[in-house]
Amino acid sequence: GAVVSQHPSWVICKSGTSVKIECRSLDFQATTMFWYRQFPKQSLMLMATSNEGSKATYEQGVEKDKFLINHASLTLSTLTVTSAHPEDSSFYICSATLGQENSPLHFGNGTRLTVT
Amino acid sequence: QKEVEQNSGPLSVPEGAIASLNCTYSDRGSQSFFWYRQYSGKSPELIMSIYSNGDKEDGRFTAQLNKASQYVSLLIRDSQPSDSATYLCASRNSGTYKYIFGTGTRLKVLA
Repeated sequence: GAVVSQHPSWVICKSGTSVKIECRSLDFQATTMFWYRQFPKQSLMLMATSNEGSKATYEQGVEKDKFLINHASLTLSTLTVTSAHPEDSSFYICSATLGQENSPLHFGNGTRLTVT
Repeated sequence: QKEVEQNSGPLSVPEGAIASLNCTYSDRGSQSFFWYRQYSGKSPELIMSIYSNGDKEDGRFTAQLNKASQYVSLLIRDSQPSDSATYLCASRNSGTYKYIFGTGTRLKVLA
């Protein structure tokens, strides 16, 4: 149980274009999902907390107009990287929790974004 | 700043040995603790959760928690080359939804 599916697993796009990444909880409902970014050989960096039916909460330093998050249902959250630049190239990983007090985070397989 | 700290390593152990990975945390409100394994280029996968003081065993893995010392550890018995990865320690505060991750310890199991 607690499977999180993320799509696509990799994407290459040109500078200035937008890319949408989907994160789905397959066998549970996730009122909260988390989006992380990870650069090579670095630790996970929390970008934002996505709450179903409300605005996402962004971490300090993360541009909310650049990284648009939509959590329209209990099983789907999307991250759109708008006007992508090469420095946005990274590994983006979503995660979700069952929401109980001791529930762990379950991660999607991640999306490798390369902006050329 | 609520932190989870880990030694970045690499920690090298011979095949068949016990690997000991350590983690300290600063937030006394943390109630739940998690160990994840992350292979290069992959997303983290959950190995174990622990919430109570003491030891918790699952196969070759044993997690240890000492809330008084704010210390969490993971022991891997009979280490295998396939255990070579980065191990992330995480905590969760019972009052918030936030999960705090350490920077990870890179483990190398030498064949």
